[in-house]
Amino acid sequence: DIQMTQSPSSLSASVGDRITITCRASQSINNYLSWYQQRPGKAPKLLIFSAFSLQSGVPSRFSGSGSGTDFTLTISSLQPEDFATYYCQQSYSTPRTFGQGTKVEIK
Amino acid sequence: QVQLLQSGPGLVKPSETLSLTCNVSGGSISSYFWSWIRQPAGKGLEWIGRIYTSGTTNYNPSLKSRVTMSVDTSKNQFSLKLNSVSAADTAVYYCAREESVSGRSFDYWDQGTLVTVSS
Repeated sequence: DIQMTQSPSSLSASVGDRITITCRASQSINNYLSWYQQRPGKAPKLLIFSAFSLQSGVPSRFSGSGSGTDFTLTISSLQPEDFATYYCQQSYSTPRTFGQGTKVEIK
Repeated sequence: QVQLLQSGPGLVKPSETLSLTCNVSGGSISSYFWSWIRQPAGKGLEWIGRIYTSGTTNYNPSLKSRVTMSVDTSKNQFSLKLNSVSAADTAVYYCAREESVSGRSFDYWDQGTLVTVSS
């Protein structure tokens, strides 16, 4: 199985801050990397696919980068609705695997 | 707009079989992989497995011995059976579509169903 490791596990930030979450795969996954946002009590929502492609309807303050084993999700200016948990996920091979999540909290 | 609607019991007794069905509306079930994913309370996401509309399946090795998935294209629905459940299987269960053209990401999810394993 491909292991996905996110860092940090949690972070505190203020509205307007720029934040970056990293995700590392245990082997190369090319760019088969997606990012999801999950608010409490809700299903995950797709933000980024293929490492850097923005899903339709997702605000442009979200961006993704990376390839191979190292990836990042950046939120350029945090908005109140962005406080949530973020997961990366690889779709290079089965079983599909997720990172452990990064909880973004209000400072 | 594709919508997924899950149905099934929210309470299952230990050692019995958990059965869930996901109905797809607003689009065809054909030519996609359909996955089941679960999330224990306060924990991360675990992929259970997927089924293609041809019936081809891939299961997570950690659950493979207990999982069966099926698809009924005439009803636009797919199903999950997980047998010999225990308290460790208590979780919110999601069904999701795996997009097949680019990225192979999970682009549509249902709202999730809490399944509790308890006597």
